[in-house]
Amino acid sequence: QVRLVQSGADVRKPGSSVKVSCKPSGGTFNNFAINWVRQAPGQGLEWMGGIIPTLGLPKYAQKFQGRITITADYSTSTAYLNLSSLTSEDTAVYYCARGNALPDYFGYWGQGTLVTVSS
Amino acid sequence: EIVLTQSPDTLSLSPGERATLSCRASQTVRGNYLAWYQQKPGQAPRLLIYGASTRATAIPDRFSGSGSGTDFTLTISSLEPEDFAVYYCQQYFNSVTFGGGSKVAI
Repeated sequence: QVRLVQSGADVRKPGSSVKVSCKPSGGTFNNFAINWVRQAPGQGLEWMGGIIPTLGLPKYAQKFQGRITITADYSTSTAYLNLSSLTSEDTAVYYCARGNALPDYFGYWGQGTLVTVSS
Repeated sequence: EIVLTQSPDTLSLSPGERATLSCRASQTVRGNYLAWYQQKPGQAPRLLIYGASTRATAIPDRFSGSGSGTDFTLTISSLEPEDFAVYYCQQYFNSVTFGGGSKVAI
């Protein structure tokens, strides 16, 4: 059974940055794509971007261009989401999700990481 | 960007009834690159359908997807108690976008 394990909840101040990690339980990326999807409290799902770690070229949703960075450390099989210039509107649960390509549907999801932005 | 509009926002039904959820795209979703997910409170979404009509692994056959072009439907033939949840459609033809969700409530 494939599992994606994410880092724990985090609290950040407005204007700061947050970094969330995602690691496949099997320990390898293979040729899959890792995506980041967020969900604000009581709201729907929002795709932020993704990366195919073996290729290293991320794609981002237009809305987040300029303050999002998605990276993958192939040596540790860990993907990262970095979001900067945080505001209260970035308070959300952040999920990593695996696809077979970029873009694609998401067959496996992480458990989610709650990021709270508060002064 | 392809905008997905789901309807209804909420569907109130009883166990055993049939649920029909709609997802309409602002542009043609070529290749039927459309998926459906189920989400329960406090849980990550679960993939139900991809390619508009292919059930994901271990998804019961009471779930079915249909449609093409700009109009897609998720049907639950006979609701089980565990099916009361929020359902999202997603297109992956042109980048990735999600619909706003439809809640199936008792």
